[in-house]
Amino acid sequence: AQTVTQSQPEMSVQEAETVTLSCTYDTSESDYYLFWYKQPPSRQMILVIRQEAYKQQNATENRFSVNFQKAAKSFSLKISDSQLGDAAMYFCAYRSQLQGAQKLVFGQGTRLTINP
Amino acid sequence: NAGVMQNPRHLVRRRGQEARLRCSPVKGHSHVYWYRQLPEEGLKFMVYLQKENIIDESGMPKERFSAEFPKEGPSILRIQQVVRGDSAAYFCASSPESSYNSPLHFGNGTRLTVT
Repeated sequence: AQTVTQSQPEMSVQEAETVTLSCTYDTSESDYYLFWYKQPPSRQMILVIRQEAYKQQNATENRFSVNFQKAAKSFSLKISDSQLGDAAMYFCAYRSQLQGAQKLVFGQGTRLTINP
Repeated sequence: NAGVMQNPRHLVRRRGQEARLRCSPVKGHSHVYWYRQLPEEGLKFMVYLQKENIIDESGMPKERFSAEFPKEGPSILRIQQVVRGDSAAYFCASSPESSYNSPLHFGNGTRLTVT
């Protein structure tokens, strides 16, 4: 079974600075999807960014980018120019490409605090 | 376009009662996933359903929990004889097909409190 590990329970960053959240995963599959979700206090799960494993180019969405290292099974999230609205729990997630096994597997989460 | 609708938003039950959580997927979506989130933890997979079929229930507790997704109407997660340990946020997500690159759309969750 796949597992996802986020080793940083909490992170903090000064407003306008850059922060990187770590994520590693374990799988024997060669093709899969990786995601970062944001969960603010409202509890809503918001998709931040996603990466297909067969694509070597790192995904980017405005101030959010990933560093995908397939061989190392690492998928970190970089947030540039941090804003107060970025404060939330961040979850890394894995999705298999196997039929019937496409559930998302989540990490434990990282609580990000933005200091003004 | 309405997203995934979950109700109720908050549900309080006494120990031993039944809890019924409802999830209406995005219109046209035929795949539904249920997750449970304990305080300060990540989301744990419970069950994956298609219309009228359970595809993967590997995360469901063996007793007291059941889920259905009928041909018509919302998906229902049912917890019988609730205990304090069932207190958590329960999330539903839907997708239009089973392909792994179709994104999951999440509802806002139901927070169950067992007193």
